[in-house]
Amino acid sequence: DTGVSQDPRHKITKRGQNVTFRCDPISEHNRLYWYRQTLGQGPEFLTYFQNEAQLEKSRLLSDRFSAERPKGSFSTLEIQRTEQGDSAMYLCASSAPGTGDYGYTFGSGTRLTVV
Amino acid sequence: GENVEQHPSTLSVQEGDSAVIKCTYSDSASNYFPWYKQELGKRPQLIIDIRSNVGEKKDQRIAVTLNKTAKHFSLHITETQPEDSAVYFCAATYSGGGADGLTFGKGTHLIIQP
Repeated sequence: DTGVSQDPRHKITKRGQNVTFRCDPISEHNRLYWYRQTLGQGPEFLTYFQNEAQLEKSRLLSDRFSAERPKGSFSTLEIQRTEQGDSAMYLCASSAPGTGDYGYTFGSGTRLTVV
Repeated sequence: GENVEQHPSTLSVQEGDSAVIKCTYSDSASNYFPWYKQELGKRPQLIIDIRSNVGEKKDQRIAVTLNKTAKHFSLHITETQPEDSAVYFCAATYSGGGADGLTFGKGTHLIIQP
């Protein structure tokens, strides 16, 4: 395991459908983050976990969004009743600040297109 | 919450020249400032970061400076090369015990002219 893995890489869904994305962080990283990035913009913070605890959620995370990290390893991000405005790249990142390294390692992202 | 402004949005420099990208932040409590490089269609990658107890940090051709009083920090790339062409993002956060939710700038598209 040399990086952060995200699945799927691409997802096309019809408006109103539910979608779920998965992120597998670097195994020794206890922090996991979800970000959303639209074209020409910087990543926008959605939420983060320390182990299995969800510690912070952005105002961007409406009640249609839910994230879990049940065993402190992989995480899922679910979007219910998708809207066209949800179309974006969803990035996962992990870090291990307890080691003194505060940098994130990002995954390659899941590109969501809502039609 | 934190707000990060980044300038310029596009920067074109001749190969071999230096490039400087500037960011300002609003929350005086922020203490961790990373820079990420993102090539087209790829993931953001950390290239350098600085914490607020340091004013400058250098790694080969890349350096970052931080002015906490003025709440701004800058990325300096010297002797630019074609592979430096990418979008660069600055970010800021208050890191109590580690890196929490980062607030990113809108990015600078750096173009290296041959």
